[in-house]
Amino acid sequence: EAGVTQFPSHSVIEKGQTVTLRCDPISGHDNLYWYRRVMGKEIKFLLHFVKESKQDESGMPNNRFLAERTGGTYSTLKVQPAELEDSGVYFCASSLGQGTNSPLHFGNGTRLTVT
Amino acid sequence: AQKVTQAQTEISVVEKEDVTLDCVYETRDTTYYLFWYKQPPSGELVFLIRRNSFDEQNEISGRYSWNFQKSTSSFNFTITASQVVDSAVYFCALRGSNFGNEKLTFGTGTRLTIIP
Repeated sequence: EAGVTQFPSHSVIEKGQTVTLRCDPISGHDNLYWYRRVMGKEIKFLLHFVKESKQDESGMPNNRFLAERTGGTYSTLKVQPAELEDSGVYFCASSLGQGTNSPLHFGNGTRLTVT
Repeated sequence: AQKVTQAQTEISVVEKEDVTLDCVYETRDTTYYLFWYKQPPSGELVFLIRRNSFDEQNEISGRYSWNFQKSTSSFNFTITASQVVDSAVYFCALRGSNFGNEKLTFGTGTRLTIIP
């Protein structure tokens, strides 16, 4: 079974540019999460999809971030325009169920550097 | 609000030594789950263990063991006879059951370096 895949693995962009991160969850997983780790800090929750619907987007930092999951399969996270403080590692995770007992399976992350 | 504290930012030990990574958590939920994840240099987050709040029995898996103490809100992780491959960043995480607390709350991580 393929795991959670994220693309690209690394992205270096200039301040003001746009970047789109993609996440392909494990097939059949309705729940998809985005997390972010800024250098040296904790991994922070961004948002949670159940199928194509946003269940919880309380962690999205501001309106420069837009997440979509059309069709309830893969998801994209767009940052427009990117700022220096957006640099970090963006993780995607998926789970089969929504309960606390459902383990999250994480991807390898996308390392975003904004210069 | 939920919180996970990993006070040790970095630890270095010589290979074959034992090492314990500390994790202290805060939550108002009566039911919750605790996790440990490993992030090796390759970058992915690898799930190590999940423990629910009703089960305080300690767990051992090979060289890994976990000590869950509800009285002190701690979920510490010990690696016995450490190996170079254990070098990684280790994250402790908490997941509650009440509405709004279902998402994982992570600590800041502990970078473990095993010196050969």
